[in-house]
Formats: sequence, C-alpha cells, structure tokens
Amino acid sequence: GENVEQHPSTLSVQEGDSAVIKCTYSDSASNYFPWYKQELGKRPQLIIDIRSNVGEKKDQRIAVTLNKTAKHFSLHITETQPEDSAVYFCAAPREYGNKLVFGAGTILRVKS
Amino acid sequence: AAGVIQSPRHLIKEKRETATLKCYPIPRHDTVYWYQQGPGQDPQFLISFYEKMQSDKGSIPDRFSAQQFSDYHSELNMSSLELGDSALYFCASSLGGSEQFFGPGTRLTVL
Repeated sequence: GENVEQHPSTLSVQEGDSAVIKCTYSDSASNYFPWYKQELGKRPQLIIDIRSNVGEKKDQRIAVTLNKTAKHFSLHITETQPEDSAVYFCAAPREYGNKLVFGAGTILRVKS
Repeated sequence: AAGVIQSPRHLIKEKRETATLKCYPIPRHDTVYWYQQGPGQDPQFLISFYEKMQSDKGSIPDRFSAQQFSDYHSELNMSSLELGDSALYFCASSLGGSEQFFGPGTRLTVL
C-alpha cells in the first residue's frame, strides 16, 4: 500500500519568511496529492492539491510542486502570517477519490 | 455553502458501551469516508462508501461497523468500547472521486 513520509515534523519561521514542507510517497501509480491544514481540535481543511499531470500549482501565497520521477511533492508558503500556524498534512491516495493516506504532519509556528 | 455535518460533536461513553456516530455528507456527494485521529496523530482511514455500497476498508476494528443509507447519510457503530477508541472521528465526503471535504468531527471519550 501507499506510504507517505513528511518532513519536517516541526517548523518555526519568522513572520514574513517562507515555509517549505516536503513529502515523499511510495506508490508510483498515485496521481493526486492534496494538502490539508488543521488547527487544534478542528477539521482538516483542503488548502491546495495537485494532479500528476502538472508540476506546479499556485494559489496566492501557497504553492505545491510535484516531482513524479523522484516521488516527492512540496508545499510552499510565502510571506507567512501568524494565522498560518497550524498542523499541515500531505496525503497521497492510491487513486483520485480513494482513501487518503496522510503524512505524519508538520507543526508550523509563525512567530510575530 | 453546505458542509459535512456530524453528530454528536462530543460523546462520552464508558468502557464496553456502544456508540453511534452520524455523518451527513455535502448534498449530491456520492462518497463518504470515515477517519479516526488520535491525539497528535494523522487521520487514519477506517472505511468508505460509494453510492451506499462499501467501497474500501482500512484499519477498522471488527467491533466497528458502518453503513450508508438511502439518503446518503452514514453511521459508524462502535461496540465494546475500549479506552483506546478515544479519538476524533471525522467523516469526509466527495463527489465522483473529487476532493474530500471533512466534517467538524466527533470527539469520543471513553472512560
């Protein structure tokens, strides 16, 4: 089955700096890669996703890059703000629409 | 826009009791997923339903069962509760295999 590894487990940045979170996956057939943001005690919220037919996708301050050859994808947050502080999870379902296999999560702290 | 609804939001049970969690997916969504999230952990897939039929099964204990009804709502039934079942239980829904949107979760505490 799919295995997803996520790094780092914690990340502290100064407000305004960039943050990068990386994930690797094991199943080369995986073709959809979402990122979720979860605040303490709340639901995971989909913030951006990418399909395997593109290498990069951007939405305002958030971008995701995908390297299918190396089987890794990354979340980039620019101009970080305190409200970006949360746990971020990457996921890689076996196929689009299948169960999500999550990474272990990254605790992002943005210091003001 | 309508979101996934879960009830109850909080539930406290004793060991060996039973619990039923309910999920109402986003209208017209055809797939429901159940996830369990322990403290400080990532969500773990339990089970999913597509058009009222079980479509996939994960690490769901035999003490748990689930079903999806004709109105597309789903229920997760948990029996012989153990202390280790204490967790956040999320339901998510999607349409035609698209993005999964999560409900607010049910926090189950087993004493």
